Amino acid sequence: QQKVQQSPESLTVSEGAMASLNCTFSDRSSDNFRWYRQHSGKGLEVLVSIFSDGEKEEGSFTAHLNRASLHVFLHIREPQPSDSALYLCAVRGGTGSNRLTFGKGTKFSLIP
Amino acid sequence: NAGVIQTPRHKVTGKGQEATLWCEPISGHSAVFWYRQTIVQGLEFLTYFRNQAPIDDSGMPKERFSAQMPNQSHSTLKIQSTQPQDSAVYLCASSPGTGYEQYFGPGTRLTVL
Repeated sequence: QQKVQQSPESLTVSEGAMASLNCTFSDRSSDNFRWYRQHSGKGLEVLVSIFSDGEKEEGSFTAHLNRASLHVFLHIREPQPSDSALYLCAVRGGTGSNRLTFGKGTKFSLIP
Repeated sequence: NAGVIQTPRHKVTGKGQEATLWCEPISGHSAVFWYRQTIVQGLEFLTYFRNQAPIDDSGMPKERFSAQMPNQSHSTLKIQSTQPQDSAVYLCASSPGTGYEQYFGPGTRLTVL
């Protein structure tokens, strides 16, 4: 069964600093990796969806997938106060499934 | 496009009562997913429909939980004899088809007293 783990549990950075979030998964047959953002009391907003090894950039968010090491990273460039939220990593697939398996999230906040 | 609509946004039930949660997917989307989110367990898959047919319900608790999709414009998640441990945010997502992006609704916060 797919296992998805995120680290750190919480992350605080100063405004303007780069932030890096980590996600590991267990099933190498997984075919899609997504990062979502969830503001308190709100729904999920997809940030980046990546299918193959390497990097994918969407605005100030860059996902980096390394399937061999079972890692997918999210880098946030010059985070703004509005980026303070819960960040969730989701992995699709593995044994032909279409369901998403989520990590427990990283709570990200900014020091102004 | 109103996005995925979930009603009610908040529901409070007493222990042992029934709760029915509604989801209206984005028009034209053929896949509907249900997830549950708690502080302790995080976000967990419950079940998924494609073209109204149940495809994968492996995440559904075996007792008391059921989901249906009677037509392409709505799906329901029913919890019978609710227990305090059922308290969670229940999220519905829809997708244009298998393999496409899932678009999430705002969720229904269920509180069982």
